[in-house]
Formats: sequence, structure tokens, C-alpha cells
Amino acid sequence: ETGVTQSPTHLIKTRGQQVTLRCSSQSGHNTVSWYQQALGQGPQFIFQYYREEENGRGNFPPRFSGLQFPNYSSELNVNALELDDSALYLCASSARDTEAFFGQGTRLTVV
Amino acid sequence: AQTVTQSQPEMSVQEAETVTLSCTYDTSENNYYLFWYKQPPSRQMILVIRQEAYKQQNATENRFSVNFQKAAKSFSLKISDSQLGDTAMYFCAFMKRDFGNEKLTFGTGTRLTIIP
Repeated sequence: ETGVTQSPTHLIKTRGQQVTLRCSSQSGHNTVSWYQQALGQGPQFIFQYYREEENGRGNFPPRFSGLQFPNYSSELNVNALELDDSALYLCASSARDTEAFFGQGTRLTVV
Repeated sequence: AQTVTQSQPEMSVQEAETVTLSCTYDTSENNYYLFWYKQPPSRQMILVIRQEAYKQQNATENRFSVNFQKAAKSFSLKISDSQLGDTAMYFCAFMKRDFGNEKLTFGTGTRLTIIP
């Protein structure tokens, strides 16, 4: 167990809907990163939050957005869902100069 | 931009044998980390081993060791005395050392199966 928890574990949404995924970071970690892992692929960096500010973003459209709260937990929001958004979404927390610890992921299916 | 390449999509080995997974990367950075992560069917990404680029000595963690060749930009993982629990996807990952802006760039993974 890494101390990083994600909810929900599975989710099914319809194309065009909106979804919110949640992540509780490990105690003492002030940085949260989100990754998208399509089936059979490696995770792709979506964005990172450091002390409640977005601090780096990958090649994802603006309909992917996020928040980090004062307790360093985080949300990933995706608007106008598309079929290609179906993937495993991983959250990772870290502190300065430490490795990232991952949650168990949220499996999102868009139908 | 950094890229990470894992050229072995799948590998299998008999239990108790040794297996080596390959990884190459491309970067113009000089200060970075390299990682091997394991992802079992439970989906959680678990850190196996970490290497700082400025360290010449290869990292070792129990049965896991790496062969880090900085000039060749190669970072292979050796698993000795393989066990059934080692069956998983293995991802090689790169991270530039940039405080407060540290993202991981992953390879496409190698599916490792340990045969009883």
C-alpha cells in the first residue's frame, strides 16, 4: 500500500458527459500528478499540481482540468467525454526529490 | 522532449532463472532519474528500483539490479532468481530533475511472465 487512494475504482460514462475523479495523496506529499494509461500502453502525463497550482501539463486538451485542495488531495475533471477517453487514470503523489507513489487507478469506460 | 523505448513487448522465463529487460532513452538533459515500475494485474504502479543519473554505481534492490550506461542511454533491469510474483508489466520511466516540475515519461512496457 502506498497511501495514495483513488475513487471510484471503476466508472462507466456516456459520450458527451462529464466526469470527476478523485485522489488522496500520501501524507507529507505536496505534489500530485495525473496520468492516462490507455489499454496496452504506458501512462501519459496529463498534468501536475504543486501547492494548489497547476505546474506542468502534457499534451491534453483543455477539457481535461484539475484541482488541488489545501490538504493536497486532487480532482481530475474531464468534460465532453469521448470514446478515446476510455482508459485507466492514475494519480501519483510525491514530495520534493522523492519518487512518485501511485494509487490503484480509476478505470473509466466511455460508451 | 524525452523519449523512452522498450523494445521487448513480452518476455517469459522459468521460475528461479534470471531475466533482463531492456530500456533505452533519449534526452539532452544531464540531471535526471531513471526508474523501473512494476504493474501487476491489480493495476497499481509499484516502484522497483531508481537510479540517479549522476551516480556511476548501478542501483540494486535485493533480486533487482540495473545496468545503467549513461553514454549509451541504456537502462536495463535484471531480475535474479525470478519468482511467480514477478509476473507483471514492467515500465521504464525517465524523470528530469526539476524541483516542483517533475513528470515521468514512460516506455510502452514489457509484459513479463514467470513460468512455474
